[in-house]
Amino acid sequence: DTEVTQTPKHLVMGMTNKKSLKCEQHMGHRAMYWYKQKAKKPPELMFVYSYEKLSINESVPSRFSPECPNSSLLNLHLHALQPEDSALYLCASSQEMGSGANVLTFGAGSRLTVL
Amino acid sequence: GQNIDQPTEMTATEGAIVQINCTYQTSGFNGLFWYQQHAGEAPTFLSYNVLDGLEEKGRFSSFLSRSKGYSYLLLKELQMKDSASYLCAVVDSNYQLIWGAGTKLIIKP
Repeated sequence: DTEVTQTPKHLVMGMTNKKSLKCEQHMGHRAMYWYKQKAKKPPELMFVYSYEKLSINESVPSRFSPECPNSSLLNLHLHALQPEDSALYLCASSQEMGSGANVLTFGAGSRLTVL
Repeated sequence: GQNIDQPTEMTATEGAIVQINCTYQTSGFNGLFWYQQHAGEAPTFLSYNVLDGLEEKGRFSSFLSRSKGYSYLLLKELQMKDSASYLCAVVDSNYQLIWGAGTKLIIKP
């Protein structure tokens, strides 16, 4: 299995809602990532988990809350989002973090719209 | 600061060759990636260069010159399905991936 699976593919939520994005990989990768991508922009790193521990938080607002229940799963909990948070949220994994040839395998993304 | 420059958009003809350039100024260098991203889809890995020179992989080749802070992606025998954005990304001294803004490649028949 060489895929990263993300659900849901599309999500529309109001500013008072609580929702979660889910990501799963079965490649034995020990690093997992959340990226946010706006149209015609490169991916922006949000969080990195290494061996199920949060290694990097790129000063992301607390309305985004990541969780790594086990080595295969990564969640992003969303609460009280703003319309400007509407974007494509990409999950990625790699064998390890902290090496040069660290190829990221991306999921297809979750397209989030905040009304 | 860290900076990666790529052209915003390029147009080429089906069957032709196109070269997408990437220049970078980063704090350290631990390799350079090229990813392809079709509209609304996830980026997919194309190539990784850490030593100077040309790496060939089928219709796609990637070149690196570390002394010049320069890379290019060469696409040969262009096909319509090659219409996509091409993202250059550099691994810095902290092993963080610094992304360029991407080059949108439009292929015309």
